[in-house]
Amino acid sequence: EAGVVQSPRYKIIEKKQPVAFWCNPISGHNTLYWYLQNLGQGPELLIRYENEEAVDDSQLPKDRFSAERLKGVDSTLKIQPAELGDSAVYLCASSLRAQETQYFGPGTRLLVL
Amino acid sequence: QKEVEQDPGPLSVPEGAIVSLNCTYSNSAFQYFMWYRQYSRKGPELLMYTYSSGNKEDGRFTAQVDKSSKYISLFIRDSQPSDSATYLCAMSANAGGTSYGKLTFGQGTILTVHP
Repeated sequence: EAGVVQSPRYKIIEKKQPVAFWCNPISGHNTLYWYLQNLGQGPELLIRYENEEAVDDSQLPKDRFSAERLKGVDSTLKIQPAELGDSAVYLCASSLRAQETQYFGPGTRLLVL
Repeated sequence: QKEVEQDPGPLSVPEGAIVSLNCTYSNSAFQYFMWYRQYSRKGPELLMYTYSSGNKEDGRFTAQVDKSSKYISLFIRDSQPSDSATYLCAMSANAGGTSYGKLTFGQGTILTVHP
């Protein structure tokens, strides 16, 4: 069974540029999560989807971050414009349902110059 | 103060040593406790899962939860170089609403097991 797929794996951009990350969850998983992991820290939840619905986006900085999960499968996380402090690893995870085991993708490593 | 505190280490031990990793937490609503292992440039993978207080053993790994002290531990026996990774504790509450399924992670402990 394929795991959670994320792309790109690495991204280098200049500040004020837009950037987008893509996630394909494990087949059949209804719940999808986006996490932010700063260097030397644990992941922090940005947003959680139940199918197409964002049920917890309280930690998403909505002035510059947006996310969507069309058709309840793939998801895209966007930052516009990017700031230096956005340099981090963006992890996507999925689970069959909320409170079930979360499986993580390899992450997208973002560097903003 | 963070909800979950984990000694970041780093921790360096010789092969075969017993390793003890610990987390403390402040949110008494946490009932599900997990340990994730994260290799360099990889995503976290679930290692151990415990509900409420008690012990759970899986091979060389033992997870302990003491809810009265708000303290959880992971023990690794006969540690191997392949155990070298970052270990993250994570917790969630059994509550409805938006917090359901939300994991709160510790900062992670970097473990190196040298031959």
